[in-house]
Amino acid sequence: GAVVSQHPSWVICKSGTSVKIECRSLDFQATTMFWYRQFPKQSLMLMATSNEGSKATYEQGVEKDKFLINHASLTLSTLTVTSAHPEDSSFYICSAVRDGGYQETQYFGPGTRLLVL
Amino acid sequence: AQSVTQLGSHVSVSEGALVLLRCNYSSSVPPYLFWYVQYPNQGLQLLLKYTSAATLVKGINGFEAEFKKSETSFHLTKPSAHMSDAAEYFCAVCSSGNTGKLIFGQGTTLQVKP
Repeated sequence: GAVVSQHPSWVICKSGTSVKIECRSLDFQATTMFWYRQFPKQSLMLMATSNEGSKATYEQGVEKDKFLINHASLTLSTLTVTSAHPEDSSFYICSAVRDGGYQETQYFGPGTRLLVL
Repeated sequence: AQSVTQLGSHVSVSEGALVLLRCNYSSSVPPYLFWYVQYPNQGLQLLLKYTSAATLVKGINGFEAEFKKSETSFHLTKPSAHMSDAAEYFCAVCSSGNTGKLIFGQGTTLQVKP
C-alpha cells in the first residue's frame, strides 16, 4: 500500500510553454501533498505544501505564479510550470501524507524529469 | 531553524564491508529524523525514521541508525554492504510543529566495489 504515482515520468518542452505534472495517491487519501525540486547531483528542495481545498503554501523564493499548484481532490495534486524556461529544467518529486497517518511520514512519487529546450 | 549536514558527499566501500553514512542535525525542538535512499531517476524510499521512541532504529534492507542527542547525530550503518546498496542516501529532519516539512541533507553517494 501507500503508492504515489507521477505523470508524466519525463517531459521535454519548448521554452515558453506550460507543463502540467500530476501527483496521485493510488491507494490512500491525502489531504496534504508536497512538491520538491531536485537539481542534478543535489538534494531535494521543498517548493510548496499542497492542501486539498485550499491554496498551496509556497516556500520562500518560489514564485507562486510560476509554479501553479492545484489540489483538487484527496488523491490528486498538480504542479503546472508556466512559461517554462531552460532554468526550470529539473527533477520534480511529489510526496503525499496519508490521511489519518503521521504528518511526518511521506510517501514519495517516482519523480518527473523536465527538460526545457 | 532546523538543518541537516551529511558528512561526505561520496562514500566508497567494498562489498561485505561496513557501511557508515554520517548525519548531524540541528534542531531547537526534539526532531524527527529520517534516512531515505534514492536510486537513479527514481523517487525516495524510506529506510528508517526516528520519532522519539527507541534511539536505535532498525530499517529495511539491513540498515539501522542510532540517535545520539549528545552528539546531535543520526548516522546510518549496515554491517555488510551489498552491490545493490549503491545509491544516493539522504538524511532529513522534520520541521517543528510536525507540519510534515522535510529538510534534507546534501546527500551521500554510496559506491560499493566488488
